[in-house]
Amino acid sequence: QITLKESGPTLVQSTQTLTLTCTFSGISFSPHGVGVGWIRQPPGKALEWLALIYWDDDRRFRPSLRTRLTITKDTSKSQVVVTMTNMDPVDTATYYCVHTNSGYYPLNWGQGTLVTVSS
Amino acid sequence: QSALTQPPSASGSPGQSVTISCTGTNSDVGGYNYVSWYQQHPGKAPKLVIYEVTKRPSGVPDRFSGSKSGNTASLTVSGLQAEDEADFYCSSYAGTNNFWVFGGGTKLTVL
Repeated sequence: QITLKESGPTLVQSTQTLTLTCTFSGISFSPHGVGVGWIRQPPGKALEWLALIYWDDDRRFRPSLRTRLTITKDTSKSQVVVTMTNMDPVDTATYYCVHTNSGYYPLNWGQGTLVTVSS
Repeated sequence: QSALTQPPSASGSPGQSVTISCTGTNSDVGGYNYVSWYQQHPGKAPKLVIYEVTKRPSGVPDRFSGSKSGNTASLTVSGLQAEDEADFYCSSYAGTNNFWVFGGGTKLTVL
């Protein structure tokens, strides 16, 4: 059984950097196509893909946020960490950690964590 | 503005069928057979109900079905039940740059 759980601050100030950790279980970071990523959802709004890291450390980023995002993995700790710089109130959202076994769609989702950005 | 276009709402009575559309472009829905659909109940994480246009994960009732024609994908929920009431989001693979794109969501109401 695959589980993912997000952790991190619930409140950040404008211009600060957000760091979120996804701790997972049941995922073997191989073979090709397996990855863990992040998707966010502003309150009452639609889903928005942010970033993904593959088993081989290949990374993908949302083009409009590329300069603000980093994503890393620590397979020994079963964790994936995403950072987003220069946070703004419009970045207030529930942030979901997701797993893909193909690279083509998110398969398993964490419960999500709400991050509020205060001005 | 979302990359994929969905109707904001849909509704049907118990036992009826309802179809939700999802329109994209040749760069996403029309270009790949990697359309997926997610059901999201209030306060919960999205749950995959359809992947690769027509496939159902184990445990998802066969009342949920998917299809695609050109740049438009569709989700049909047959034999509507009260527990089907939720928000539904479509998603498509959109290549190595844009990767995963989503629709704006459709609120399904069971009357």
